[in-house]
Amino acid sequence: DAGVIQSPRHEVTEMGQEVTLRCKPISGHDYLFWYRQTMMRGLELLIYFNNNVPIDDSGMPEDRFSAKMPNASFSTLKIQPSEPRDSAVYFCASTPARVHGYTFGSGTRLTVV
Amino acid sequence: AQKVTQAQTEISVVEKEDVTLDCVYETRDTTYYLFWYKQPPSGELVFLIRRNSFDEQNEISGRYSWNFQKSTSSFNFTITASQVVDSAVYFCALSAPNADKLIFGTGTRLQVFP
Repeated sequence: DAGVIQSPRHEVTEMGQEVTLRCKPISGHDYLFWYRQTMMRGLELLIYFNNNVPIDDSGMPEDRFSAKMPNASFSTLKIQPSEPRDSAVYFCASTPARVHGYTFGSGTRLTVV
Repeated sequence: AQKVTQAQTEISVVEKEDVTLDCVYETRDTTYYLFWYKQPPSGELVFLIRRNSFDEQNEISGRYSWNFQKSTSSFNFTITASQVVDSAVYFCALSAPNADKLIFGTGTRLQVFP
């Protein structure tokens, strides 16, 4: 298996632009998580899905952030409009069941200028 | 509320030294799971171990070992004979069995110098 695949690896965008991050989980994994990592706040859970259904989005910072999982093999995290404070590394992770170790993607480093 | 504390922000050692990374957790659950992850300079997060609260046996995997003590709510990680390739940020995490998400500590940056 190729693991959790995220794209792009790096994204640089101007403030106000829309940004879409993509994730392909491991086949057969029913859970998908989006995390954000910054120096100030560490690893924060933004949202997670179970069987393509959003379960907990309490970590989504504000309405500018949205996430979708249209099918079991694809998820997107969108920021619109982006702001400099959104600059971070965004990780996607998947797991086959509760309390298993997550498998993380390589992350997307987002820089908003 | 659940919480994970990694009090050591950064540790520096010289190659071949042993080093222990501390992890203290808080939870009201009687059943829970503990994890360690490694984040090397390349940035990815690598799963190292999962331990459930009923299993207090220490675990050894090569140069890595984990000491789980419920009495002190600690799940410490020791690297024996450290190597430069061990340089990374190490995260401890906690999850309850009825919860889907992991609560991460703030991480400990380990630097191993040749």
